[in-house]
Amino acid sequence: QQQVKQSPQSLIVQKGGISIINCAYENTAFDYFPWYQQFPGKGPALLIAIRPDVSEKKEGRFTISFNKSAKQFSLHIMDSQPGDSATYFCAASFGSEKLVFGKGTKLTVNP
Amino acid sequence: DTEVTQTPKHLVMGMTNKKSLKCEQHMGHRAMYWYKQKAKKPPELMFVYSYEKLSINESVPSRFSPECPNSSLLNLHLHALQPEDSALYLCASSQFLAGVAGELFFGEGSRLTVL
Repeated sequence: QQQVKQSPQSLIVQKGGISIINCAYENTAFDYFPWYQQFPGKGPALLIAIRPDVSEKKEGRFTISFNKSAKQFSLHIMDSQPGDSATYFCAASFGSEKLVFGKGTKLTVNP
Repeated sequence: DTEVTQTPKHLVMGMTNKKSLKCEQHMGHRAMYWYKQKAKKPPELMFVYSYEKLSINESVPSRFSPECPNSSLLNLHLHALQPEDSALYLCASSQFLAGVAGELFFGEGSRLTVL
């Protein structure tokens, strides 16, 4: 119930391509869905977040798509760049409960 | 540049040593967190402080002892650690406890190696 399942575990994309990372959850009480980006040797940083009252949120090249009925959300990175190479974590939480992280996706964008 | 500062960046200690990790934030945040992160794994919550009071302890072994001297500082005291405790220790803060959600600001972490 408290898990967030993230896929794929790793992803290789060519420069300029679209990177897509998917997450699925079971707990319908979750009401906050952030994505964190982590570069090697650094702490995670919030990339973009969404609440279930909207189906899509876009910030620059990054878009979250949210499907409440399917209990799924995904991160799309348009025009992927080598500088986007990092590990991405989806997460979910609700109320006073802790943030539940997915297992992460290592993205490599080849030049 | 991160606004959550952690020291030291790297720490090597023996199993009988006592050491401390330090974290500082000057964003006026009232909630601070310690996470542990193993290689290729997501961060794992250890402790949460809200308004300088411990509000969450995720059943962490007593060889880890958190301390929040004031709203800007968070320490993690380490004693009699095991090699399996080797990991990246991340400090984070958020404006309020806010359901332990909202935006977390992470530091760059302290890389701990226990020999």
